[in-house]
Amino acid sequence: GQNIDQPTEMTATEGAIVQINCTYQTSGFNGLFWYQQHAGEAPTFLSYNVLDGLEEKGRFSSFLSRSKGYSYLLLKELQMKDSASYLCAVRSTGGFKTIFGAGTRLFVKA
Amino acid sequence: GAGVSQTPSNKVTEKGKYVELRCDPISGHTALYWYRQSLGQGPEFLIYFQGTGAADDSGLPNDRFFAVRPEGSVSTLKIQRTERGDSAVYLCASSLVAATSTDTQYFGPGTRLTVL
Repeated sequence: GQNIDQPTEMTATEGAIVQINCTYQTSGFNGLFWYQQHAGEAPTFLSYNVLDGLEEKGRFSSFLSRSKGYSYLLLKELQMKDSASYLCAVRSTGGFKTIFGAGTRLFVKA
Repeated sequence: GAGVSQTPSNKVTEKGKYVELRCDPISGHTALYWYRQSLGQGPEFLIYFQGTGAADDSGLPNDRFFAVRPEGSVSTLKIQRTERGDSAVYLCASSLVAATSTDTQYFGPGTRLTVL
């Protein structure tokens, strides 16, 4: 079967750093995506990993370990506007189906 | 257009009725995806088009659901004999070239379907 697990909710303080974990078991692997989704809005692309290691993009970084089926999204210098759901998604090999996790709701408090 | 557009933004229908949801992808994007998202859940894959053909429709829940993309641009998701369990936000996404691993999907604002 295919399964993506991520924490349901997290709370962090403005200015701090937060790490959102994602573990996956899928039939094949052709890349892992992180999306941000504000309430009532469409998901927007944050990052993509296909090789092991860390990808950094401004305040956001994403890490992948394919052997462990594990990724994390790191958000630095948290801002109130970062309060949103963060979706981990895996694309399977040989096709273009993308499986999404249920998302992690992040609350940033002052 | 500048982004993916979907119409209508909201649709309320009665159980048993037929509905059509429209998606207009970003100009030039060859790949188009339909997802369904329920409250508190991530998007659930329904179907993917490359050009005019449905390359993967394994996510369609049953034969009441059907999607077309006759000219390789606009797509319509059709739901027959709607049921209350079909109520959800239906998201459409498009991407430039799905064959490359770095392909990124851009999502539309969604259609909120409510079946009474």
